[in-house]
Amino acid sequence: AQTVTQSQPEMSVQEAETVTLSCTYDTSESDYYLFWYKQPPSRQMILVIRQEAYKQQNATENRFSVNFQKAAKSFSLKISDSQLGDAAMYFCAYRRADDMRFGAGTRLTVKP
Amino acid sequence: DSGVTQTPKHLITATGQRVTLRCSPRSGDLSVYWYQQSLDQGLQFLIQYYNGEERAKGNILERFSAQQFPDLHSELNLSSLELGDSALYFCASSRGVGYEQYFGPGTRLTVT
Repeated sequence: AQTVTQSQPEMSVQEAETVTLSCTYDTSESDYYLFWYKQPPSRQMILVIRQEAYKQQNATENRFSVNFQKAAKSFSLKISDSQLGDAAMYFCAYRRADDMRFGAGTRLTVKP
Repeated sequence: DSGVTQTPKHLITATGQRVTLRCSPRSGDLSVYWYQQSLDQGLQFLIQYYNGEERAKGNILERFSAQQFPDLHSELNLSSLELGDSALYFCASSRGVGYEQYFGPGTRLTVT
């Protein structure tokens, strides 16, 4: 079974600094998708970024970028110029066809 | 706003009761997914429907059932409720396989 592991239950970053959240996954497939979702205190799940496994280029969305290492099965999220509004739970997710798995989440605190 | 709507936002009921949660997907989305998130927990996938048909099943209890109607809205039925069923229930939708899921705001169920 595919599993998604987020080894950092909690992370902290100073406002305006950069932070990287880790995610590893286990799969025997070559074609799949990876996502990062953000869940702020409102509990709304918000899609942050998406990566197709067949693409070598790392996805970027404004201050959010990923480091996708397919061979290592690693998918980390980098948040640059952190803002107070970035404080949230971040979930890494793997999807292959109809199978979607989420990691346990990393709680990010942003210090002013 | 993701375009996915869920009603009600909050629900308080007693043990042994039955409730129905409703979800309307984004316009054009054929897939609907249901997730359960207990307090400070990750997301547990319950069930998926695609264009009215059950497509995938996760850790859904036998006391729970769901369906997707011809207009593509979906309902999750929870019966013989227990205290442990208290959680946030999310609905998500996507255009189909491989597309990202967009989440509704969730229904917070409290069983007393």
